[in-house]
Amino acid sequence: NAGVTQTPKFQVLKTGQSMTLQCAQDMNHEYMSWYRQDPGMGLRLIHYSVGAGITDQGEVPNGYNVSRSTTEDFPLRLLSAAPSQTSVYFCASSFGQELAEQYFGPGTRLTVT
Amino acid sequence: LAKTTQPISMDSYEGQEVNITCSHNNIATNDYITWYQQFPSQGPRFIIQGYKTKVTNEVASLFIPADRKSSTLSLPRVSLSDTAVYYCLVGDEYSNSGYALNFGKGTSLLVTP
Repeated sequence: NAGVTQTPKFQVLKTGQSMTLQCAQDMNHEYMSWYRQDPGMGLRLIHYSVGAGITDQGEVPNGYNVSRSTTEDFPLRLLSAAPSQTSVYFCASSFGQELAEQYFGPGTRLTVT
Repeated sequence: LAKTTQPISMDSYEGQEVNITCSHNNIATNDYITWYQQFPSQGPRFIIQGYKTKVTNEVASLFIPADRKSSTLSLPRVSLSDTAVYYCLVGDEYSNSGYALNFGKGTSLLVTP
């Protein structure tokens, strides 16, 4: 099992550009989520999904879109990048309800200039 | 979700036992307590989860007193590789808030020789 994979590992964007961060898992997990982590901060939930076709907002959803067309994939789209979105983004998945063990990807470090 | 309070940082020498206490005064009856570990430049990793009394696995022990308003993560005989940020999470398996984990800022543990 590859677990949770994320691409790219690093990305630099200019203000106003859009891009998609990819996340995939091969563990057949129903639950997937996206977090951002800023320096000295904990992780903040952006969006999550409890299954294919179902997504919902987390704590900091503004400026991001998600979709879940398959169980395996959960891409995160930045619509119009802003410097405030400079952060490290982590994707996670878990088998069941929120207290199930979450498996995290290696992260994507995004810089918006 | 119940709010948690942990020390911002702790220092230890190699070989010592480290105890990190987390306060969660408004923990609800259905809430579980979960701890994650995060190394620099990596996603968090599940360590241990418990509801009451004591839970032990190959990595750590989790002590939860009868009133459950706090919990203590115990790391036996730490090594340099235990230097990481440790997060205490409290959540309800059947939370109406949906799928959301509040990682907070965690406790940064530094282990030195």
